[in-house]
Amino acid sequence: DAGITQSPRHKVTETGTPVTLRCHQTENHRYMYWYRQDPGHGLRLIHYSYGVKDTDKGEVSDGYSVSRSKTEDFLLTLESATSSQTSVYFCAISARTGAQETQYFGPGTRLLVL
Amino acid sequence: KQEVTQIPAALSVPEGENLVLNCSFTDSAIYNLQWFRQDPGKGLTSLLLIQSSQREQTSGRLNASLDKSSGRSTLYIAASQPGDSATYLCAVTDSWGKLQFGAGTQVVVTP
Repeated sequence: DAGITQSPRHKVTETGTPVTLRCHQTENHRYMYWYRQDPGHGLRLIHYSYGVKDTDKGEVSDGYSVSRSKTEDFLLTLESATSSQTSVYFCAISARTGAQETQYFGPGTRLLVL
Repeated sequence: KQEVTQIPAALSVPEGENLVLNCSFTDSAIYNLQWFRQDPGKGLTSLLLIQSSQREQTSGRLNASLDKSSGRSTLYIAASQPGDSATYLCAVTDSWGKLQFGAGTQVVVTP
């Protein structure tokens, strides 16, 4: 699992409230990613980070912000949660094994916005 | 914009049959292609990674081929077992390391 943990694992919240999801890695990887997974869409990239305080937008970044103040932590914030943000959120890191760069995924966070 | 398609969306086979899963992508300028497995309620596990310069990769009963010019990859699973039941996703990587996923193929192997 490349030492990736996500917290919380499950969350129920109400529309309009802020929500922060945390991704923590223990192996000092430079690249970290946040995805959301919805039925029929596979995984879609929300934001990614290529170093401390270096982040960029992915395919579905509207309504989300991220922060990375330490190598090991990548935070995803929903400033004002909406029902369309009900989803499963996965964090990933990119690691090189020999000549190959592979992404390893955390266990996911299930978010329900009522 | 890269689009990744997996057909069929679901597949059911009896134990022992070979599985053939298809993945197609619209932009051939990929860095690599990966196949992942996802069990219900779990994260993704990388199965095979094929570099853009490679034609295939093998791991045990799994074999993945890549035809970059036609925008296709196929994952073969030989002699399927009930434990192979899962959702299989393919993803292409661009030169920035960003993955574009297909929606997945849900596989059920019946005893």
